[in-house]
Amino acid sequence: QSVLTQPPSVSGAPGQRVTISCTGSSSNIGAGYDVHWYQQLPGTAPKLLIYGNSNRPSGVPDRFSGSKSGTSASLAITGLQAEDEADYYCQSYDSSLSWVFGGGTKLTVL
Amino acid sequence: EVQLVESGGGLVQPGGSLRLSCAASGFTVSSNYMSWVRQAPGKGLEWVSVIYSGGSTYYADSVKGRFTISRDNSKNTLYLQMNSLRAEDTAVYYCARVLLHRAFDIWGQGTMVTVSS
Repeated sequence: QSVLTQPPSVSGAPGQRVTISCTGSSSNIGAGYDVHWYQQLPGTAPKLLIYGNSNRPSGVPDRFSGSKSGTSASLAITGLQAEDEADYYCQSYDSSLSWVFGGGTKLTVL
Repeated sequence: EVQLVESGGGLVQPGGSLRLSCAASGFTVSSNYMSWVRQAPGKGLEWVSVIYSGGSTYYADSVKGRFTISRDNSKNTLYLQMNSLRAEDTAVYYCARVLLHRAFDIWGQGTMVTVSS
């Protein structure tokens, strides 16, 4: 299983707000390492969505936001759109000198 | 344009070897941390290895002793030498650039490696 824990799936209707949680431990998120989020559309490479807990790369809509507290982090998506349907992954760094990912969350837009 | 293009994937028998390449454009590989990340069919992302700008290398426990990451500065290319391949190494392998925050900001399109007899 993955070092970071995410819910396997979330869903929401167009226009709604959804959140995806990411839970780690004292050796990664709780140790102060940043959390990053990726969006992976079917059949494509992951795309950086949020870096440094809450920063958006150029071109990422402000409907996407991230936060971190303690050993957990969250990705929020407001104003859900059909094109947001994808897999979302959180990622951090671990004191064991390794990069770690969550298991991924499949977002379904109803 | 900043871009990464992987190549070298294919079908290999258990115990065999394969070398993946990742050609970069628009930036200098040797000035950045560079990494390999893999994704088994229908599964999540798994970090494989990283090479720092200073040359230090680190590996996931699952590949330590079998895989070697390297780079050719003259070709601006990253490599992953994979030996003693196992069925569980079957995956799409992505190369990625690592930001200062330790996030992966640029990804290649991926190359598929299938280990099967």
